[in-house]
Amino acid sequence: QKEVEQNSGPLSVPEGAIASLNCTYSDRGSQSFFWYRQYSGKSPELIMFIYSNGDKEDGRFTAQLNKASQYVSLLIRDSQPSDSATYLCAVRGSNYKLTFGKGTLLTVNP
Amino acid sequence: GAGVSQSPSNKVTEKGKDVELRCDPISGHTALYWYRQRLGQGLEFLIYFQGNSAPDKSGLPSDRFSAERTGESVSTLTIQRTQQEDSAVYLCASSLAEGSEQYFGPGTRLTVT
Repeated sequence: QKEVEQNSGPLSVPEGAIASLNCTYSDRGSQSFFWYRQYSGKSPELIMFIYSNGDKEDGRFTAQLNKASQYVSLLIRDSQPSDSATYLCAVRGSNYKLTFGKGTLLTVNP
Repeated sequence: GAGVSQSPSNKVTEKGKDVELRCDPISGHTALYWYRQRLGQGLEFLIYFQGNSAPDKSGLPSDRFSAERTGESVSTLTIQRTQQEDSAVYLCASSLAEGSEQYFGPGTRLTVT
């Protein structure tokens, strides 16, 4: 069974701090990695994807991938209360299917 | 451009009734996925369509669930003889190609009373 694991949280950070969200996966053949943000009562929204080892930056968001250690992380700099949401990690394995983690609830306190 | 759309946005039905949920993918997206999300839970994969290939139905929880898609257009998810445990948000997503990033619709909230 291919699994994607995330700490369910809640992760609580003060406004302006860096939020660090982590995800590990079991399928060594995984090729593509995605982060989705899901506000309460809303559907998931794609915010980042990464395919290669290393860092990928987009505004306040940085995705980090380490295939050897089988983990992917999302850093949110200068966290804002509007970043409060559940963050879902999704991994495309050696097949087409995305496997989603259960998500980490992030709360940014003003 | 238009995103993924789903209808209805909310559906309340009595136990034992059949329901049909609809998904309109982003134009040009060949892949279409259905997921279920129970309250406070993660996403549960149900079924996947890719072009004209046979769908992957491996996530359907029982034979009461079925789905259809004609070509690369609209898909319908049908739940027969609904049960209370079917209450959830049903999410549809589409992607440009197999394995590429998925974009989600707003979901249909199903409540079985």
